[in-house]
Formats: sequence, structure tokens, C-alpha cells
Amino acid sequence: QKEVEQNSGPLSVPEGAIASLNCTYSDRGSQSFFWYRQYSGKSPELIMFIYSNGDKEDGRFTAQLNKASQYVSLLIRDSQPSDSATYLCAVNMGPGGGSNYKLTFGKGTLLTVNP
Amino acid sequence: NAGVTQTPKFRILKIGQSMTLQCTQDMNHNYMYWYRQDPGMGLKLIYYSVGAGITDKGEVPNGYNVSRSTTEDFPLRLELAAPSQTSVYFCASSSRGSGDLGEQFFGPGTRLTVL
Repeated sequence: QKEVEQNSGPLSVPEGAIASLNCTYSDRGSQSFFWYRQYSGKSPELIMFIYSNGDKEDGRFTAQLNKASQYVSLLIRDSQPSDSATYLCAVNMGPGGGSNYKLTFGKGTLLTVNP
Repeated sequence: NAGVTQTPKFRILKIGQSMTLQCTQDMNHNYMYWYRQDPGMGLKLIYYSVGAGITDKGEVPNGYNVSRSTTEDFPLRLELAAPSQTSVYFCASSSRGSGDLGEQFFGPGTRLTVL
């Protein structure tokens, strides 16, 4: 069964620190990778996506992908209390070329940023 | 532009009752999805649609049915509700399939309790 694994947390960091969120996936043929943020009682919101090995930066967020290790991570620099949420990792595990429309989600990591 | 809207926000059903969860998007997206999310769990795909008149099963379709007669609407039907269907249901849409890195936009969710 194709799986996406995340530490459930909670991960607690002080304000201003770097938060590191990790995700592993089972299907070596996975094509694209997404990070969603979900505040309590709200719907998921996409914050980053990545499809090539290496780092991708967007403001305070950096996504890192290592396909050989089947590992994707999200770094949040200068963490703020407003970053406190559950972060969901999602992976497209289907064949490439746009023929697969489905994402497999991890269970999410709860991040708490303490003032 | 309202995005993805869902009704109702909350609902309590008795075992054996039926209901339809409504989902509408005004972004002219071809792809639409229904997920359920149980406490502490990630999102599980119930059904998805790649266009009007085309639907397919996701990971957990049992006990549900869908239809897609228009681009805008993608209702989810629960027949003979069971306590195991107590969950939060999210509808999502995207302009392209996940394989093309299309971002999925989520509705606000419907919180369903079956007693």
C-alpha cells in the first residue's frame, strides 16, 4: 500500500526558531510533493510544492526533496505563533505525464510556536 | 469569486438516514475531489471527477455515491448512514490534475455526526 509518513508531533519550537517538518513516502515513482497548512477547524491551504531534487524557497518557507531517500521536508524560518497549525504532506504517487489526479496525504504534524 | 463552497457546515444524522453534501466551485475547474478527515488522520480520498459526467472511486468509496452533471457541482450522497461515517468532509477542486502540479483548493468542510 502506498503510504506517506509524518511524525504526528506535537513539535514545539520557540518564536524565532527554525521549525523542521519531515515526510517520507513509499512509492519511488512519486512525481510531485505538496505541503498544506491546516489551522484547527479549518480546511487545508497549500503553502509549498516541489518536484525536483534540492531546495525550493518561498519567503520563510523552504521545501527540500531527496528522491533517492524518498524524503521531503519543510523548514520554517523565524517561526511565528501564527505558524501554529497542522502541516500535511501530500504526494502524487501515480504515473507521470498528468495522468494521475490523486494525492496521498500523511496524517500531519502539529506544530506549536511558543511566544 | 467564492471559490469552493460546501453546505451544510454541520449535520447530525441518525443511523440509516441518507443525505447529500453539496459542493460548488466557481473557478471553472475541471477536477473535483471529495475527502474525509478523521481526528488525527490525514485526508482520505472518497471520490473524484475529472470533468462533467466522469467520476471515479478513491481510496474509501464504500457507503458513498457521487454525480457530476455540471462543471460547478459535485454532490456527495450518503446512503444508510453509519457511525463509521462520522467525520469532516472536504470538497476540493483544481484546474489541472495533481500530476500537472495543479493546486487543489479546498472548501470549508462539512462536519457530520452519525448517531
